[in-house]
Amino acid sequence: DAKTTQPTSMDCAEGRAANLPCNHSTISGNEYVYWYRQIHSQGPQYIIHGLKNNETNEMASLIITEDRKSSTLILPHATLRDTAVYYCIVTPQGGSEKLVFGKGMKLTVNP
Amino acid sequence: NAGVTQTPKFQVLKTGQSMTLQCAQDMNHNSMYWYRQDPGMGLRLIYYSASEGTTDKGEVPNGYNVSRLNKREFSLRLESAAPSQTSVYFCASSPIGIRPQYFGPGTRLTVL
Repeated sequence: DAKTTQPTSMDCAEGRAANLPCNHSTISGNEYVYWYRQIHSQGPQYIIHGLKNNETNEMASLIITEDRKSSTLILPHATLRDTAVYYCIVTPQGGSEKLVFGKGMKLTVNP
Repeated sequence: NAGVTQTPKFQVLKTGQSMTLQCAQDMNHNSMYWYRQDPGMGLRLIYYSASEGTTDKGEVPNGYNVSRLNKREFSLRLESAAPSQTSVYFCASSPIGIRPQYFGPGTRLTVL
């Protein structure tokens, strides 16, 4: 299974765009990139996923490099409620059955 | 539409006691999962059920058993609780195929 590497933590000013990087240099052709977040001690929340094209939904945008070895999650206008641990996950065989959560990256949005 | 619900929210057990954590989803999802999260760590998969009637081991299955009671319900049983099982337990469900998982609020379990 492809592993991911994220910074341990990151700060962002409220109202600014938050760009969260993730490296997945060993990703294979049929593996998807998923992003989840966990606010405080709540259950993880799905944000977005993609294979090779850039994706956007009401929460965020996902930019995947052409070689698929890295991706960036973009929260366009970060709010205090976006403070959370963000997990970048590569799923084996394209399915979501076996998510492997690392330690993630703590994003702190400051007023 | 409640999504994924878990009971109880909190539980304290003594070493050797048994208990069952309950999970139910009302989204008509085929797959269900049990994870545990230890302090400062990511989630680790205990067991999952790809569809009604099937269950498979995840990364850390030892000390646990599961039952997929029907399409809606997936329970996790600790037969003889140990302090090492002190953790937060999350249940999740997902539709079939390349779809995200949706998580419940968690059960915080302490084993003394």
